Amino acid sequence: GENVEQHPSTLSVQEGDSAVIKCTYSDSASNYFPWYKQELGKGPQLIIDIRSNVGEKKDQRIAVTLNKTAKHFSLHITETQPEDSAVYFCAASSGGTASKLTFGTGTRLQVTL
Amino acid sequence: DTGVSQDPRHKITKRGQNVTFRCDPISEHNRLYWYRQTLGQGPEFLTYFQNEAQLEKSRLLSDRFSAERPKGSFSTLEIQRTEQGDSAMYLCASGRSTDTQYFGPGTRLTVL
Repeated sequence: GENVEQHPSTLSVQEGDSAVIKCTYSDSASNYFPWYKQELGKGPQLIIDIRSNVGEKKDQRIAVTLNKTAKHFSLHITETQPEDSAVYFCAASSGGTASKLTFGTGTRLQVTL
Repeated sequence: DTGVSQDPRHKITKRGQNVTFRCDPISEHNRLYWYRQTLGQGPEFLTYFQNEAQLEKSRLLSDRFSAERPKGSFSTLEIQRTEQGDSAMYLCASGRSTDTQYFGPGTRLTVL
């Protein structure tokens, strides 16, 4: 089955700096890659996603890039703000009947003033 | 708030008791998923419904776990004879006939 690895596990940046989180996946059939933000005591919130026919997608301060050949994808957050502090999860789906998601182990992002 | 609701938000039970959780998906979403998340880990897939049909179950879903989605609307997840290892956050997600999944706030289960 699919295996998703995520790095780093913790990331501390100063407000205004950029943050980058990287993930690799194992199943070459995976074709959908969402990113979720999870705050303490809450469910994961979808922040951006990308499909395998696209190499990059941007939404304001957030961007995701995908390299299908290398089987890795990354989340880029620019001009970080304290409210960006949370745990971020990458995930991959190979479609099929369920399109179930396989998640990485998460990155705890801390944005300091 | 994604529009997916779960009840209860917290459940404390004693080992050996049965518990049941409910998920109300976003209306008109025909796909419904259950995931389990333990501390410091990402969510793990448990089971999937398309309308009222349960189409896939993970090996994680032992025979003590059962899920239903009568009439293709809300869903319930029941755990019989709970064990301490069942302590986790149980997350429900829903979606349309695409990959995108929207998660609810979760039910945190503590088994004493």
